[in-house]
Amino acid sequence: DAGVIQSPRHEVTEMGQEVTLRCKPISGHDYLFWYRQTMMRGLELLIYFNNNVPIDDSGMPEDRFSAKMPNASFSTLKIQPSEPRDSAVYFCASSSWRGIASLGTDTQYFGPGTRLTVL
Amino acid sequence: GENVEQHPSTLSVQEGDSAVIKCTYSDSASNYFPWYKQELGKRPQLIIDIRSNVGEKKDQRIAVTLNKTAKHFSLHITETQPEDSAVYFCAASINSGYALNFGKGTSLLVTP
Repeated sequence: DAGVIQSPRHEVTEMGQEVTLRCKPISGHDYLFWYRQTMMRGLELLIYFNNNVPIDDSGMPEDRFSAKMPNASFSTLKIQPSEPRDSAVYFCASSSWRGIASLGTDTQYFGPGTRLTVL
Repeated sequence: GENVEQHPSTLSVQEGDSAVIKCTYSDSASNYFPWYKQELGKRPQLIIDIRSNVGEKKDQRIAVTLNKTAKHFSLHITETQPEDSAVYFCAASINSGYALNFGKGTSLLVTP
């Protein structure tokens, strides 16, 4: 099992440019989460999907951020236009439903992250 | 959103001593409480978790306790080793448990 895969691992771009981050969840997982990690704000949930459908995007900071999941094995997080304050590590995580509603989902497995620097 | 408070933010212990990290949560519907360890430059990795139908869980040197009435849970690491040095995050499920709110993290340093 390759685990959650993210690309690119590092991205350096200039303010105003479009940035696209990519994620491939663990095969068979039906939940996918996007997080942003900074020293000041810690780990923040941006958006999550269930069976490719966005469930909660209340953590998306602004309209400049958008996320899609066109199929069960691929998701993107796009920032357009990017700003220096978007600099952070962006993690993707996936999990599966345990099948018993009262017990919620199983473990979230994180990808290696994308370190984004916006100059 | 609902908050998860984590204390202390930094913790330094001598090798062999115990370390305790505490978290409180506000969402009474939370039913899943994982703990993640993150080494510098790496991804968060689950080390132990507990669900609301259990009060305590242990895995070798690591244990977690949950007090649902008081809405707090704690991580206990015994016989600490230098390789335990990392940032530890607690988390609590949001509502039905499909997403997580994370604490701000505790930077643990174990000195030889």
